[in-house]
Amino acid sequence: RKEVEQDPGPFNVPEGATVAFNCTYSNSASQSFFWYRQDCRKEPKLLMSVYSSGNEDGRFTAQLNRASQYISLLIRDSKLSDSATYLCVVSPYSSASKIIFGSGTRLSIRP
Amino acid sequence: EAGVTQSPTHLIKTRGQQATLRCSPISGHTSVYWYQQALGLGLQFLLWYDEGEERNRGNFPPRFSGRQFPNYSSELNVNALELEDSALYLCASSFPGVSDTQYFGPGTRLTVL
Repeated sequence: RKEVEQDPGPFNVPEGATVAFNCTYSNSASQSFFWYRQDCRKEPKLLMSVYSSGNEDGRFTAQLNRASQYISLLIRDSKLSDSATYLCVVSPYSSASKIIFGSGTRLSIRP
Repeated sequence: EAGVTQSPTHLIKTRGQQATLRCSPISGHTSVYWYQQALGLGLQFLLWYDEGEERNRGNFPPRFSGRQFPNYSSELNVNALELEDSALYLCASSFPGVSDTQYFGPGTRLTVL
């Protein structure tokens, strides 16, 4: 089993729709969680951290479920510019010796 | 403020050759990470340097090596190149002790023919 697993997609949704995807992790000792966004042929960029209490940044909401060992990302009122690959990132320790990236979920927003 | 920079942007080599990739972190960042992203695959952790020392390495053969200089810039060396080494090599940097939030450079696309 992979340490971090994501549905590769692609998720193809119309503009304005709400879309959500999950990421599961296998190491119960994981402490830090993030979502990164990677545009085609570009470098990944931090989208948001994921806190235990859940957090929201505009149209984006991230949740952590420690019991089931997954994190989620919800995008409301999706825009064409949201089309990208979303990478789930899990850090096993607070002072990470190795951060683990998921393979990414590809999202395509159509007009 | 300048972001993470990498050079060269593209590199074409043949099998058996050696490749050297360079990375300059954001000013104030002491940690540098190297990742390999093969086409259609996720990021695979290669190496982590902090304060000039290798802190951790991923599951890659010894022909992948690197170093970090006193100014915190870093080099990734790949010896005896193989076709499957063709990938985008990303460098990221972070503040000391806060390795969770990483800032990525634009990458070096290595093609092995």
